[in-house]
Amino acid sequence: AQSVSQHNHHVILSEAASLELGCNYSYGGTVNLFWYVQYPGQHLQLLLKYFSGDPLVKGIKGFEAEFIKSKFSFNLRKPSVQWSDTAEYFCAVISMNRDDKIIFGKGTRLHILP
Amino acid sequence: DVKVTQSSRYLVKRTGEKVFLECVQDMDHENMFWYRQDPGLGLRLIYFSYDVKMKEKGDIPEGYSVSREKKERFSLILESASTNQTSMYLCASSFQEAQYFGPGTRLLVL
Repeated sequence: AQSVSQHNHHVILSEAASLELGCNYSYGGTVNLFWYVQYPGQHLQLLLKYFSGDPLVKGIKGFEAEFIKSKFSFNLRKPSVQWSDTAEYFCAVISMNRDDKIIFGKGTRLHILP
Repeated sequence: DVKVTQSSRYLVKRTGEKVFLECVQDMDHENMFWYRQDPGLGLRLIYFSYDVKMKEKGDIPEGYSVSREKKERFSLILESASTNQTSMYLCASSFQEAQYFGPGTRLLVL
């Protein structure tokens, strides 16, 4: 069965620090990959997605993620975080098999200190 | 912009009550989903639907049922609410695999 693993449950950084949140998945076939973000009191929203092509994808608010197929990873990065990036981040994977459902990681709660 | 709305932001019910959570999307998406979100457990899929009158069980369907009579509306039903169903419930619709979420309903079962 597919699974998604987010390495860190809680990350605390100071403003201007660089961010990398890890995400690994267990499915061996072709996958679509996503990062979602939930700001305090707001909806879950799509941050970025990878379907095919350039493995380095850019999303909103300066975030990017790199798909490394050999490592089954899709880590989220931002070179310099801001206090407004405080949120919970979810990695998600869906295989290209029509019968498979999207699988979410358990989330990483990011807290940025001003 | 895709809009997914949920009927209530907060709901308090008593054990044994029948609970209806309504979700409406305005983008003519075929796929709709119900999740519950609990701290440390992430999102867990309860039920989903790929078309009107069609439903599929997710990972944790026990104690829940759903109804999809119209394309834009997907209802989650708790037949007899229990305290372990206290949670945040999220509805989503999807297009080209990307999911669009509603604001969530925080349900407290006493």
